[in-house]
Amino acid sequence: TQLLEQSPQFLSIQEGENLTVYCNSSSVFSSLQWYRQEPGEGPVLLVTVVTGGEVKKLKRLTFQFGDARKDSSLHITAAQPGDTGLYLCAGEWTGNQFYFGTGTSLTVIP
Amino acid sequence: GAGVSQSPSNKVTEKGKDVELRCDPISGHTALYWYRQRLGQGLEFLIYFQGNSAPDKSGLPSDRFSAERTGESVSTLTIQRTQQEDSAVYLCASSFGTGGFRAFFGQGTRLTVV
Repeated sequence: TQLLEQSPQFLSIQEGENLTVYCNSSSVFSSLQWYRQEPGEGPVLLVTVVTGGEVKKLKRLTFQFGDARKDSSLHITAAQPGDTGLYLCAGEWTGNQFYFGTGTSLTVIP
Repeated sequence: GAGVSQSPSNKVTEKGKDVELRCDPISGHTALYWYRQRLGQGLEFLIYFQGNSAPDKSGLPSDRFSAERTGESVSTLTIQRTQQEDSAVYLCASSFGTGGFRAFFGQGTRLTVV
């Protein structure tokens, strides 16, 4: 059972374009994280959002947690080839239990 | 060690054989998770340990899959009578207790069933 659905599943864009990845659930999460994973590596944490409506920025990446804490988005401005990877959201459900989203595979073409 | 360690890093096995995957979490981390990741896909939750008990086994795909953990240390994931659809990367993660967690991941074990 996937509690978190991500969209799109696959995304291929040209360098310099903007993109948004969505993470949606019918469940409320106490916190939500975004990870980026490169081939052959484990996921690396990018950000944690805790408060409904919270917005965090990490250079060209903007993360938003929905007001109801059921969804989140990741927006990348002026994508670069180094942004290529699998982006995963993960929601903390009840006390140290967390579930990962289905993932978005991003390819940025030079 | 400084991070989560998994072994072996790669495993090729014949269909029908049993395999055992090992995870050494970061010292002091009470929570340990196993995930399966098929090629190009997101993570699929398998099982979660709090200490050496597993309150959530809902993700185990079948009764061929089992996992155990010794205290708050090493965990092993065992797959019996492997099938080709078991081929995937198996990732282990550990974290501290409740609230505002950060999960640290191992590099994974790539399992290929031929």
